[in-house]
Amino acid sequence: KAGVTQTPRYLIKTRGQQVTLSCSPISGHRSVSWYQQTPGQGLQFLFEYFSETQRNKGNFPGRFSGRQFSNSRSEMNVSTLELGDSALYLCASSTEGDEQFFGPGTRLTVL
Amino acid sequence: TQLLEQSPQFLSIQEGENLTVYCNSSSVFSSLQWYRQEPGEGPVLLVTVVTGGEVKKLKRLTFQFGDARKDSSLHITAAQPGDTGLYLCAGERFNKFYFGSGTKLNVKP
Repeated sequence: KAGVTQTPRYLIKTRGQQVTLSCSPISGHRSVSWYQQTPGQGLQFLFEYFSETQRNKGNFPGRFSGRQFSNSRSEMNVSTLELGDSALYLCASSTEGDEQFFGPGTRLTVL
Repeated sequence: TQLLEQSPQFLSIQEGENLTVYCNSSSVFSSLQWYRQEPGEGPVLLVTVVTGGEVKKLKRLTFQFGDARKDSSLHITAAQPGDTGLYLCAGERFNKFYFGSGTKLNVKP
């Protein structure tokens, strides 16, 4: 089975812009979670989608949003980018209630 | 306050030494995962433990889930430079995953 894929791998944006990141889960996995990872804060949970519905949400501002399509692929969007949004954004997929498998991440740099 | 506390945060040892990393909580988990992550890459799943008291071995790595399913440990025997990385534990409760802050391991040749 192919693993979790994320595109793009690297992204450079400027403050105020918006960005969309994409995640394709492992075939058959219906849950997709997004995380932000920074050296100072570690792995922070953003949100989880299951069968096109947001099931869980972390403590991030409304500038961070996501969605899931009928084929379980997911996108997350960050609007009005700030310098502090520079991070590695990780997507993880799972079947319901068991282990998560991570993609390689998207490295976002905000200048 | 994090639901899962990992210790130590940093560990720098010589090749050939043994080490143990701990993951502790006051909450019960349905399952617990250990991951290893290299810089700029996503975490790679090493093992999942689901039964209290369970011990799993992966070559030189031994994972144990506490009897009460609240804590876990990862023991590495005869560490090698290739073991260098960030080790993360994650616990699953009611379809939510909680991550520890990680242990950064450096194995010097």
